[in-house]
Amino acid sequence: DAGITQSPRYKITETGRQVTLMCHQTWSHSYMFWYRQDLGHGLRLIYYSAAADITDKGEVPDGYVVSRSKTENFPLTLESATRSQTSVYFCASTVYDSGELFFGEGSRLTVL
Amino acid sequence: GQQVMQIPQYQHVQEGEDFTTYCNSSTTLSNIQWYKQRPGGHPVFLIQLVKSGEVKKQKRLTFQFGEAKKNSSLHITATQTTDVGTYFCAGQSSASKIIFGSGTRLSIRP
Repeated sequence: DAGITQSPRYKITETGRQVTLMCHQTWSHSYMFWYRQDLGHGLRLIYYSAAADITDKGEVPDGYVVSRSKTENFPLTLESATRSQTSVYFCASTVYDSGELFFGEGSRLTVL
Repeated sequence: GQQVMQIPQYQHVQEGEDFTTYCNSSTTLSNIQWYKQRPGGHPVFLIQLVKSGEVKKQKRLTFQFGEAKKNSSLHITATQTTDVGTYFCAGQSSASKIIFGSGTRLSIRP
């Protein structure tokens, strides 16, 4: 049971480059989320999705784009990376609204 | 927008002492969840509270949800070194949107 996997686990990029973080879950959970974690800020919601082709903004969506063409995948794209987007990114999923979140291992992104 | 505040940011205790973290939401919540994150790991679900005034226990951990469904607390009795980590509350007030508090990092002196 692979669960929820994120790739890459570590990424170093330069300012202005496009970066895509992948998230894949094998449970067919309807709901998926992207959070970023920075010291002192906890986990901040970037985008979430209630189902394929349904996405919505979270607390800090600026500079990010998401898509959800298939239930199992929820990629997060930084169209033009900035240093302030250096962070650890967590993808999560849940089977139903209000259910417990299952998190991936995280993707550590450094923008130089 | 919805905000979830959590205090304290850090707590350093002697092993065997108690620990409490508090969570307060700017809006009424439909439910609140608690997670634990070990250093270098990802958040792991501990519990969910749904009802006003609800109290749930898991061994040495006691979780409370306020009467107004805007605040919550996690209390650990007689801490052990295995309790080390960061504890997060996560509140949900509108459909699907789950907002996390900033977390309380617990460290323990053996």
